[in-house]
Amino acid sequence: ETGVTQTPRHLVMGMTNKKSLKCEQHLGHNAMYWYKQSAKKPLELMFVYNFKEQTENNSVPSRFSPECPNSSHLFLHLHTLQPEDSALYLCASSQVPHGTSSEQYFGPGTRLTVT
Amino acid sequence: DAKTTQPPSMDCAEGRAANLPCNHSTISGNEYVYWYRQIHSQGPQYIIHGLKNNETNEMASLIITEDRKSSTLILPHATLRDTAVYYCIVRSLNNAGNMLTFGGGTRLMVKP
Repeated sequence: ETGVTQTPRHLVMGMTNKKSLKCEQHLGHNAMYWYKQSAKKPLELMFVYNFKEQTENNSVPSRFSPECPNSSHLFLHLHTLQPEDSALYLCASSQVPHGTSSEQYFGPGTRLTVT
Repeated sequence: DAKTTQPPSMDCAEGRAANLPCNHSTISGNEYVYWYRQIHSQGPQYIIHGLKNNETNEMASLIITEDRKSSTLILPHATLRDTAVYYCIVRSLNNAGNMLTFGGGTRLMVKP
């Protein structure tokens, strides 16, 4: 148990559906992240939020829409996805500023399948 | 941030030390070496990090060469639960947004 929870753990959706992934951190951190992990590929950073403000969008298609209503919650809204978007979506949090230590704590991920 | 190179896979016998190498020959003076691991079907887990001195915690030891161009993560007594993909990441404190760039990592298989 890392203090970062994600729901749902598994999701199957059609290409015309709209769904949302939820992440919650119980660590008092002020930065949150979305990563994508496709089969046989390294983790890819998607979005970064520092103090609820988006500071990084790593060229992610607009069919992925993040939302950070407060420093403890992060959402990823999904619409009109493609089959190649099927992947493990991981949420993480960390403390900023971090001094010499900036470890990120990851949730268990949401396994998304787009049919 | 500097790029890292790791062997794609390694085996280790249970109870023996696992030594995982990482090459980061282009590392600069303000960049730290971080290690994470990812057990199957779980999110990555922070292990340890260092700048130039060797570091040890309850999980592992990190040995950084004097020229800082390479490092070794040591799991002193590997168990079956240490089977995972281990990622070596070089990161600057000036890295805006606290971004971590993951490579392919080393898949460590601990065998009975």
